[in-house]
Amino acid sequence: DIQMTQSPSTLSASVGDRVTITCRASQSISAWLAWYQLKPGEAPKLLIYKASSLENGVPSRFRGSGSGTEFTLTISSLQPDDFATYYCQQYNNAPLTFGGGTKVEIK
Amino acid sequence: QVQLVQSGGGVGQPGRSLRLSCAASGFTFRNFDMHWVRQAPGKGLEWVAVISKDGNTKYYADSVKGRFTISRDNSNNTLYLQMNSLRSEDTAMFYCARALGPFDYWGQGALVTVSS
Repeated sequence: DIQMTQSPSTLSASVGDRVTITCRASQSISAWLAWYQLKPGEAPKLLIYKASSLENGVPSRFRGSGSGTEFTLTISSLQPDDFATYYCQQYNNAPLTFGGGTKVEIK
Repeated sequence: QVQLVQSGGGVGQPGRSLRLSCAASGFTFRNFDMHWVRQAPGKGLEWVAVISKDGNTKYYADSVKGRFTISRDNSNNTLYLQMNSLRSEDTAMFYCARALGPFDYWGQGALVTVSS
């Protein structure tokens, strides 16, 4: 199975901050990586697919980059609605696997 | 619009069974692979199972293999997860998800609590 390692596990930031989350795969997954946002009581939301493609309706402050084994999710200017937990997922190989999550908290 | 509406879940005793349902609408259900994903309290997301568009191919996480069964009814646009031999470690929020490579739509979640 491909292991996905996210860092940091928790991140404290303020509104307006630039935030970067890293995801590393245990082997190359090309660009078959997605990023999701989870909020309590809500369905998970797809933000980014194919490493850098923005899902329809997702604000442009979210940006994904990377390929192979190293990926990042950047939020250019953190907004109040962005305080949530973020997960990366590889969909290159079965079983599909998720990173451990990054909780973005209010500083 | 695409909707995945989940039902089922609740409290189940260890060793007993529960069934989850996921009713799809707003898209051609039979054209998509479907998955179940879960999140245990305080933990991250864990993929559980996948079923192919026609229902003939199924894969499971090792943690549920032999105990859980994924199925679908394409005539009624519904996905199922039959959970047998429940264990305390199965306590989690369960989500159904549509797969287009990544999971582009998810259900609202159904809480399963395994407790005596």
